[in-house]
Amino acid sequence: AQKITQTQPGMFVQEKEAVTLDCTYDTSDQSYGLFWYKQPSSGEMIFLIYQGSYDEQNATEGRYSLNFQKARKSANLVISASQLGDSAMYFCAMREGEDFNKFYFGSGTKLNVKP
Amino acid sequence: GAVVSQHPSRVICKSGTSVKIECRSLDFQATTMFWYRQFPKQSLMLMATSNEGSKATYEQGVEKDKFLINHASLTLSTLTVTSAHPEDSSFYICSARTSWTTYEQYFGPGTRLTVT
Repeated sequence: AQKITQTQPGMFVQEKEAVTLDCTYDTSDQSYGLFWYKQPSSGEMIFLIYQGSYDEQNATEGRYSLNFQKARKSANLVISASQLGDSAMYFCAMREGEDFNKFYFGSGTKLNVKP
Repeated sequence: GAVVSQHPSRVICKSGTSVKIECRSLDFQATTMFWYRQFPKQSLMLMATSNEGSKATYEQGVEKDKFLINHASLTLSTLTVTSAHPEDSSFYICSARTSWTTYEQYFGPGTRLTVT
């Protein structure tokens, strides 16, 4: 079974609008961490936001927020006020347990921001 | 802070030759480094985990003898692709962790390997 599922291969959003990128995960561990990364065409992985499984509040970092629904095992990324520079691949990832050698990436969502 | 570099950023080599990729943590000591592989338009797949001074732990399906990983110091890990073939062409990304990061791993900019 897939550990991380991103069902949107590609998304379009109008500049200045908000967009939600979906992510669901599968784990039986009680302790885990959820991450979102941005990968522009240059290839580097840029860390955006982190949510720990025991965190009760949804994580927020500037224009990024993570909609964490534990019972549904979903960790959607919300980008508010999209900018042209947000166009990139976005990967959801999970660290299972406390070991970083159990680190799984989703298949990614290509976001295109239209002017 | 927490910068990870990779060298080279791009490399083209002939089939049958070996190529070495370096991953350095520039401003911190990396207790653990990870090597990922990414095929075009696909996700990152963890290849191996390396801890300084010990042998790397390879993920299932990754050939140890083909992808040699050395983590000789707290700031340097190397990945050597031995006897490269065109199917080894890929984007290789390393990441690094320190003992003081609670959840972060810091990624290098990646190395694009093309085997002709």
